[in-house]
This record gives sequence, structure tokens and C-alpha cells, in this order.
Amino acid sequence: QVQLQESGPGLVKPSQTLSLTCTVSNDSINSVNYFWSWVRQPAGKGLEWIGRIYISGSTNYNPSLKSRVTILLDTSKSQVSLKVTSVTAADTAVYDCARDGGAVAGKGFDYWGQGTLITVSS
Amino acid sequence: SYELTQAPSVSVSPGQTATITCSGDKLGEKNVCWYHRRPGQSPILVIYQDSKRPSGIPERFSGSNSGNTATLTISGTQAMDEADYYCQAWDTSSAHVVFGGGTRLTVL
Repeated sequence: QVQLQESGPGLVKPSQTLSLTCTVSNDSINSVNYFWSWVRQPAGKGLEWIGRIYISGSTNYNPSLKSRVTILLDTSKSQVSLKVTSVTAADTAVYDCARDGGAVAGKGFDYWGQGTLITVSS
Repeated sequence: SYELTQAPSVSVSPGQTATITCSGDKLGEKNVCWYHRRPGQSPILVIYQDSKRPSGIPERFSGSNSGNTATLTISGTQAMDEADYYCQAWDTSSAHVVFGGGTRLTVL
């Protein structure tokens, strides 16, 4: 059973950088069959895709967040990382990582982490 | 940018059929996935490639996609199906994933 586990600070001050890590277990992060995505959901709102990364290092980002987001892959640690710069209260949300079978082909996000709540507040 | 539109809420009686729709320009030309998310839990993929069910998803979940509308149908709805449902597609023009705004399914 594939497992994804997010980890992060919980609380981030406005204007600072949010850093999150997703550790993948029981699956190969090196697989050519999958992308690794980040999704977030503010309280009371819907799902928002942040971006994804492929084993080659190729990335796609949500145009609305692209200028502030970086997603990286560390295959030696089986981890996917997310950095969001210049955070504001609008970045307060539950952040999830997910395995993406290929959005173009419509394979969907078949495994998700349990989600981690990030609050932006001074 | 590409948008997917869902009704905010749908109500259904136990045992009845729930229909949740997702609309977007020429959506029938894209591959659509559906997820449900219960409070405090991770999203679960219930339909991929318009109409396929992942392993472990009950047969009462089905999907279709044509024209500008994708539809998720839940037959014989159960109380445990009460959740928020999201459609998802790929926006080819800007190369990114798009989610619908979500539909809250209430089983009365």
C-alpha cells in the first residue's frame, strides 16, 4: 500500500516562506508512471491544485501561484518538497500531496497524504 | 483560464439516485476524474477517465462525460456517501490541473 506523509511547520508568519515535505513509502518515487502533486484546501473552500513534478524534474504549476511556488524531488530520501514564498493569510489551508497517474490521460490522483494544516499568522 | 462549474449542493434520500454535474467548455473532449472528501479525511478518487472505477470503489458509483457536461451518478445512495464531491480535468492550454468548486452531497 502506497503511503504519503506530509510534514511541515504548522504556523508560518506573513511574508515568510512556507516549506513542506511529502515522504513516499512503499512505492518508487522514481517511477516513470507517475507525477507527484501538491493540492491545498482553505477552510470552507474547494480543492486547489498547486503543481506537480515528474521524475525527470519537469514541473507544471498553477498559473495563479507559479511566481511563488517551487516543487522539488529528492529521490534519495523518497521525498517531494513544496516551497511557497511571500505567504499571506490567503495561503492558510490544508496542504495535501498526492500521486498523480497522469492528469492529461485522466488517470487521477489515486493516493493522497493525510494532509497538514498550515496557518499563516503573526 | 479553464473553469469547471458545479452546483454547491445536492440532496438525496437514502436509496435514491444522486446526480452531480460538472460543466466546462468542451468538457467532453477532456478526461474527467471525480473525488469525494469527507470532513477531516483525505480525498478519494471514485471515477477516472470519465467512467472508470478504481479498485475498491462500489459499483453504485458511475460516470459519464459528453458535450459540456460530466456527470457522477450514485445509485442507491447510502448515508456514508455524504461528502463533498469534486470534478477534475486537465487544462491543455495552460498545462495545469483544474478542479470544480465542489458539490456537497447531503443524504437526508
